[in-house]
Amino acid sequence: DSGVTQTPKHLITATGQRVTLRCSPRSGDLSVYWYQQSLDQGLQFLIQYYNGEERAKGNILERFSAQQFPDLHSELNLSSLELGDSALYFCASSITSRGGYTFGSGTRLTVV
Amino acid sequence: AQSVTQLGSHVSVSEGALVLLRCNYSSSVPPYLFWYVQYPNQGLQLLLKYTSAATLVKGINGFEAEFKKSETSFHLTKPSAHMSDAAEYFCAVSEGYTGANSKLTFGKGITLSVRP
Repeated sequence: DSGVTQTPKHLITATGQRVTLRCSPRSGDLSVYWYQQSLDQGLQFLIQYYNGEERAKGNILERFSAQQFPDLHSELNLSSLELGDSALYFCASSITSRGGYTFGSGTRLTVV
Repeated sequence: AQSVTQLGSHVSVSEGALVLLRCNYSSSVPPYLFWYVQYPNQGLQLLLKYTSAATLVKGINGFEAEFKKSETSFHLTKPSAHMSDAAEYFCAVSEGYTGANSKLTFGKGITLSVRP
């Protein structure tokens, strides 16, 4: 157990639907990062939150949004889902990246 | 902008042989460099990190990597491969440890196979 908890582990949904992925960071970590892993794009940075505030945005689609709550857990919302959104979505947390991130085990999203 | 190049997508070695996985980076500032390993159907596990201290970094499971600024490289090595080393390996770079520059940029990954 890495200390970073992601739920659900698997999600199957239809095109056009909306889903919410949840991440609880390791105790004490203030930064949460979301990454998407797909066969064609590899690991892509989506967005970073630090203590409730958005810090950096990467290749995140406008259909996707995220937030970090006062208890530091984070949610990634994916809407108007397309087949191409099928991927593994990872959450990682850190105090600072100097020590490296701790990754969760991921949520596998399948859009059918 | 930072970037990572991992040449080749697949490396196959015999059990007991040297493992060498190559990583070259591009960064506009002194980088932080990381190697992660991903086993099938699992998340990413940190193997080792370079954060501007010793250039030869030792990690878990017998892996080590050497930071060579002149070559912009951070190759991962292990003297003797074990069957349990079969996995996908990712090199990553960040340009800071807080704030917006702390995001990781990953290479495409290399799949390591170990032959008995």
